[in-house]
Amino acid sequence: DAGITQSPRHKVTETGTPVTLRCHQTENHRYMYWYRQDPGHGLRLIHYSYGVKDTDKGEVSDGYSVSRSKTEDFLLTLESATSSQTSVYFCAISGRTGGPDQGYTFGSGTRLTVV
Amino acid sequence: RKEVEQDPGPFNVPEGATVAFNCTYSNSASQSFFWYRQDCRKEPKLLMSVYSSGNEDGRFTAQLNRASQYISLLIRDSKLSDSATYLCVVIPNTGGFKTIFGAGTRLFVKA
Repeated sequence: DAGITQSPRHKVTETGTPVTLRCHQTENHRYMYWYRQDPGHGLRLIHYSYGVKDTDKGEVSDGYSVSRSKTEDFLLTLESATSSQTSVYFCAISGRTGGPDQGYTFGSGTRLTVV
Repeated sequence: RKEVEQDPGPFNVPEGATVAFNCTYSNSASQSFFWYRQDCRKEPKLLMSVYSSGNEDGRFTAQLNRASQYISLLIRDSKLSDSATYLCVVIPNTGGFKTIFGAGTRLFVKA
């Protein structure tokens, strides 16, 4: 399996604080993604990246920002955490040079609770 | 109407049973289809792609029906280890990176 790790695995934070989640991959894949998963919903795309410093918004990007300064790292920042951002966050990569139609490999997830 | 709909289940079946899940999608221009498996509190993992001609991998068979806009997953000879949530995934033919995940169907296989 492709090497993709997320940190932290669990986090509890207070409303209004900034939070950064990290995704690290060792496979030199071009495309990286951040998804959130909530009960009763499918995974929803927050942001994605198609190269270093190249990012774009997904369907639920409000309140989130991302950065990709190196191929291997993709950071997700909650600028001012709200309770509605309590969720499980998954980072993913797709094919080495292709998009999601080549299939995703997901990280283990980060469980974030905003209190 | 959701773009991708799945019966949430749960499906409770005995070991050795055959079970089938359907997933309907609303965008007739959708071009790529997948089934992912997600164990409890784990990440989703790609199970198989779904081709127009169908796709079989051991005990698992996936079918696509474009006319009726649904895909199916058939599991034969169910094992306890098949207990998981199965996610239907559709990629529309709109370019870009849009991917639509179903909310999943839960399967419990019991001894």
